[in-house]
Amino acid sequence: DAMVIQNPRYQVTQFGKPVTLSCSQTLNHNVMYWYQQKSSQAPKLLFHYYDKDFNNEADTPDNFQSRRPNTSFCFLDIRSPGLGDAAMYLCATSREPGQLNTEAFFGQGTRLTVV
Amino acid sequence: GEDVEQSLFLSVREGDSSVINCTYTDSSSTYLYWYKQEPGAGLQLLTYIFSNMDMKQDQRLTVLLNKKDKHLSLRIADTQTGDSAIYFCADGSSNTGKLIFGQGTTLQVKP
Repeated sequence: DAMVIQNPRYQVTQFGKPVTLSCSQTLNHNVMYWYQQKSSQAPKLLFHYYDKDFNNEADTPDNFQSRRPNTSFCFLDIRSPGLGDAAMYLCATSREPGQLNTEAFFGQGTRLTVV
Repeated sequence: GEDVEQSLFLSVREGDSSVINCTYTDSSSTYLYWYKQEPGAGLQLLTYIFSNMDMKQDQRLTVLLNKKDKHLSLRIADTQTGDSAIYFCADGSSNTGKLIFGQGTTLQVKP
């Protein structure tokens, strides 16, 4: 059974049109992460939530926002997508950061295309 | 800052062993991970090793860690065509659980 679910799997959006990607988890994990993976590159962390505390990476553009209304759901909002934002967006969860046996579980990803 | 490096491509014949190598720079690394990514899919955790270990074996997978040289390797025994994928090494030492990924090694398994 899928434990970290991302919807949709594929998203096409217009240049400049706001888009929201969603992630849900059935693991009841405290931490949820959003990674961006551009073609043939390593995944790169955008931000994460530890419970309700939002933690932004220093180099994440302002165009990217996130919401976590409850433990199970986390959303990635791209306010004005540009062509350079086309990528695979990966959601991950972990029970506690930096602790033993708290490895991150990843969803299948949402591939975003900007036209 | 932390950095993780991997060779980009490895080609082996079915039935041979594959060895994928990774180097990292963070001397305070506590956990190092191997993830597998098939085309168009998310990341699947294969295995991880704690920094006070030098070897971990899990069925066909063997992880070796040389902490002095900051070198990590993943050996896949009896490699199968289904093992063809991109393999990412990741450093998970941050207190936030943030993973620093290498650029991935594409493993091609020839029949």
